[in-house]
Amino acid sequence: ETGVTQTPRHLVMGMTNKKSLKCEQHLGHNAMYWYKQSAKKPLELMFVYNFKEQTENNSVPSRFSPECPNSSHLFLHLHTLQPEDSALYLCASSQLRGDTNPDTQYFGPGTRLTVL
Amino acid sequence: ELKVEQNPLFLSMQEGKNYTIYCNYSTTSDRLYWYRQDPGKSLESLFVLLSNGAVKQEGRLMASLDTKARLSTLHITAAVHDLSATYFCAPKETSGSRLTFGEGTQLTVNP
Repeated sequence: ETGVTQTPRHLVMGMTNKKSLKCEQHLGHNAMYWYKQSAKKPLELMFVYNFKEQTENNSVPSRFSPECPNSSHLFLHLHTLQPEDSALYLCASSQLRGDTNPDTQYFGPGTRLTVL
Repeated sequence: ELKVEQNPLFLSMQEGKNYTIYCNYSTTSDRLYWYRQDPGKSLESLFVLLSNGAVKQEGRLMASLDTKARLSTLHITAAVHDLSATYFCAPKETSGSRLTFGEGTQLTVNP
C-alpha cells in the first residue's frame, strides 16, 4: 500500500467543519482519481485529474472541492457536509496509455469519513 | 452511460469447490479490470483484460473477456478460505480513463 497513500485514515467531523483529505502517489503516474464508497452502493467516481487538469466532475456537490497541485498530490476539501456524505473515500492513480498494465488504477487505503 | 451488472452479489461456497462470477456491461469497452477488496481494506488489482478472448490466470483465479457478448467471467477453482473477499469488475469506456465498477460480489469460502 505504499504506492498510494492517504491521510487521514479516519476522520470524524461536524456538519459545520472544514477539513481536507490528502492523497499522494509514489508511482510516477499522470492521472489521479477520487472515489466514494458507501455501504451497499457501487464505487462512485467523483473526480478525475489527467496531467493535473480536471477532466471529470461526476455531478459532485460543491461542498466537495478537489485540488491537484501536481501530478503526485491530490486533495479533497470538505465543507458543510451532510451525514449522508459519510463513506470511505478512495484515491487512485494510473498511468494513462502506459505500456504495462495500461490504465490500471492503483488505490490508496482510503479515508473513513463520518459526518455527525 | 456504461452500466455494469455482476452476479451473484453474494456467494457462499465450500472449500474445494469451483464457481464462476459473471460481469455483464452495457456498451462498448476496450478493456476490463478485476479487483479484490478485503473487509476494511482498499481495492487490489487482480487482472486487466485487454482484448476479446483474453484469458488470465493467477493461482486459483482465472478471468476471461468476451467483448462481443460484453461479458467477463472470474472463475474460482478449488476455493480456499483466503479467497474470501469482495470482487469487483470494472470495464473501461472506450474513450477516456473512466472505469465503471460493478456492485461487487461478496465471496465467503467456508471450511
